[in-house]
Amino acid sequence: EVQLVQSGAEVKKPGESLKISCKGSGYSFSNFWIAWVRQMPGKGLEWMGIIYPSDSYTKYSPSFQGQVTISADKSINTAYLQWNSLKASDTAMYYCARGDGFGELSSPLDPWGQGTLVTVSS
Amino acid sequence: DIQMTQSPASLSASIGDRVTITCRASQGISNFLAWYQQKPGRVPNLLIYGASTLQSGVPSRFSGSGSGTDFTLSISSLQPEDVATYYCQTYNSVPHTFGGGTKVEIK
Repeated sequence: EVQLVQSGAEVKKPGESLKISCKGSGYSFSNFWIAWVRQMPGKGLEWMGIIYPSDSYTKYSPSFQGQVTISADKSINTAYLQWNSLKASDTAMYYCARGDGFGELSSPLDPWGQGTLVTVSS
Repeated sequence: DIQMTQSPASLSASIGDRVTITCRASQGISNFLAWYQQKPGRVPNLLIYGASTLQSGVPSRFSGSGSGTDFTLSISSLQPEDVATYYCQTYNSVPHTFGGGTKVEIK
């Protein structure tokens, strides 16, 4: 079974750093793109960026460029989303999702991880 | 960047009704269009890709159509389990933008 399992919920203070993870199993992790998607409370889905684990080639949405860092470690089938200095406005659910096509950047997302809730509050 | 505009933002329909949601791209995206269903408190789930191809396991009452800039998602006979928010997404070019969502409720 193809599966993405994300790290658990986090509660942080403004200014703190954070790295959340997404571990893939049941498929060739290196050869499928992994995207990150933000969902703020009560709001819609926002595409943040995407990484190809084989070579860690990464593309960001202009809205998120410079605000977060996406990385991957193909040796442990894990992708990451990282913040250097969190803000209250980063409070959201964050999903990772796999691009459905082998090696294809232009692919729909399936499956999705279960989500990681990040709460930033003083 | 390509903008994706969904309408309506919400709708209320009766069980058995036909429901149609539209999604418009700000420029042509061929058929690089996916639809996702997100039930309350749940993870989004891929329904349709390539504008009209049903993902495995998705009930046949769901269908998608369109190409270029204008797309539709239809539910032929609304069921209680279809209560959800539906999102379109283009994956033609980065960023792979989502539409704003359409919340479907039962009247």
